[in-house]
Amino acid sequence: QKEVEQDPGPLSVPEGAIVSLNCTYSNSAFQYFMWYRQYSRKGPELLMYTYSSGNKEDGRFTAQVDKSSKYISLFIRDSQPSDSATYLCAMKGVTGGGNKLTFGTGTQLKVEL
Amino acid sequence: GAGVSQSPSNKVTEKGKDVELRCDPISGHTALYWYRQSLGQGLEFLIYFQGNSAPDKSGLPSDRFSAERTGGSVSTLTIQRTQQEDSAVYLCASSSGLYNEQFFGPGTRLTVL
Repeated sequence: QKEVEQDPGPLSVPEGAIVSLNCTYSNSAFQYFMWYRQYSRKGPELLMYTYSSGNKEDGRFTAQVDKSSKYISLFIRDSQPSDSATYLCAMKGVTGGGNKLTFGTGTQLKVEL
Repeated sequence: GAGVSQSPSNKVTEKGKDVELRCDPISGHTALYWYRQSLGQGLEFLIYFQGNSAPDKSGLPSDRFSAERTGGSVSTLTIQRTQQEDSAVYLCASSSGLYNEQFFGPGTRLTVL
């Protein structure tokens, strides 16, 4: 079993829809959680970075962490065609392991006009 | 721009040959990471360098893989006696400190025939 599980999709939604992307994890040592967006043939770029359980909002994006359930989510409001990309969750522990990240496999999202 | 650059962008090689992949981090970034992204596997940590400390090689899949970082800047990932299962996108990232945001390059797409 992988340490981080993520539904690969693809997920197709109409423009303007609310998108929900999710990851589950098994390692309770993970304390920092990130969401990256990756366009085709590009490197990942950081969207959201959270530590505490609860919600963190940035524009149309909301990251949610539930450490008790080992479950994290990313919500995208008013989705746009430019949001079409692969979304990767990533996480790391507090001590040891330096800054190496453990990633989910990514969810491919397509927002259609 | 001043982002992370990688070369070559694409590399096709024959099984058994050696390959070298290059990463130029953002100027002044002390930490540098290599990841591998295979189809359906997400990003897999390979190795990271932090300043003058010994690198964390815990993610290298076999002794055919090695990396060096010269002068605290440019890094080269070398794969000896390439195998077909080495085919993947190799991503490099750098950060201004060991626990800071990682900025990714566009990757090198390696195909082993």
